[in-house]
Amino acid sequence: QSALTQPPSASGSPGQSVTISCTGTSSDVGGYNYVSWYQQHPGKAPKLMIYEVSKRPSGVPDRFSGSKSGNTASLTVSGLQAEDEADYYCCSYAGTSNWVFGTGTKVTFL
Amino acid sequence: EVQLVESGGGLVQPGGSLRLSCAGYGFTFSNFWMSWVRQSPGKGLEWVANIKPDGSDKYYVDSVKGRFTISRDNAQNSLYLQLNSLRVEDTAVYYCARDYLWGRSPWGQGTMVIVSS
Repeated sequence: QSALTQPPSASGSPGQSVTISCTGTSSDVGGYNYVSWYQQHPGKAPKLMIYEVSKRPSGVPDRFSGSKSGNTASLTVSGLQAEDEADYYCCSYAGTSNWVFGTGTKVTFL
Repeated sequence: EVQLVESGGGLVQPGGSLRLSCAGYGFTFSNFWMSWVRQSPGKGLEWVANIKPDGSDKYYVDSVKGRFTISRDNAQNSLYLQLNSLRVEDTAVYYCARDYLWGRSPWGQGTMVIVSS
């Protein structure tokens, strides 16, 4: 159960887009369409932003979108806003009711 | 409002035990899988365990198998995590979360467990 691989950091200018990758294996990301993404501000609990690879829960802005190709999932934040600066974590089902999170990516403004 | 509130964290010596609790509000607790997820200081998230709505099935990450036990009391809308044989590397903020839409939402505010001599 190794953690999924994410880049430690990503940055963009306000209004621009930033894309975060999440790389796993055929036993987790590549094997199931159960990838979710979480936003975490400092000192706060994580918040669900994307589920089942590309679906948004009610209340999450459509600036957030998800996709998957092979063993790599991606989260794109379009039209970057100040409140989007946070840590982002992916999570994938890994079979037998086991789940694995990504290593996390800190998104900052340039 | 759907809400989860954890309690029970604290400072414990290596080899010691602790019981974490999580109370659920604003939703039908007995209908949902529930999870515990932890975050070591300055580190990422790690799924620890989850439990079926009726408590009949429980699953754990390998590093805690045989030491931690997840349980629930649907009559009390409560989730528990019994932590035994604690190690320094178990030091973390422990979050409870509702399994929802093949993700986790919402999450509680977390409770800190510090394992140190």
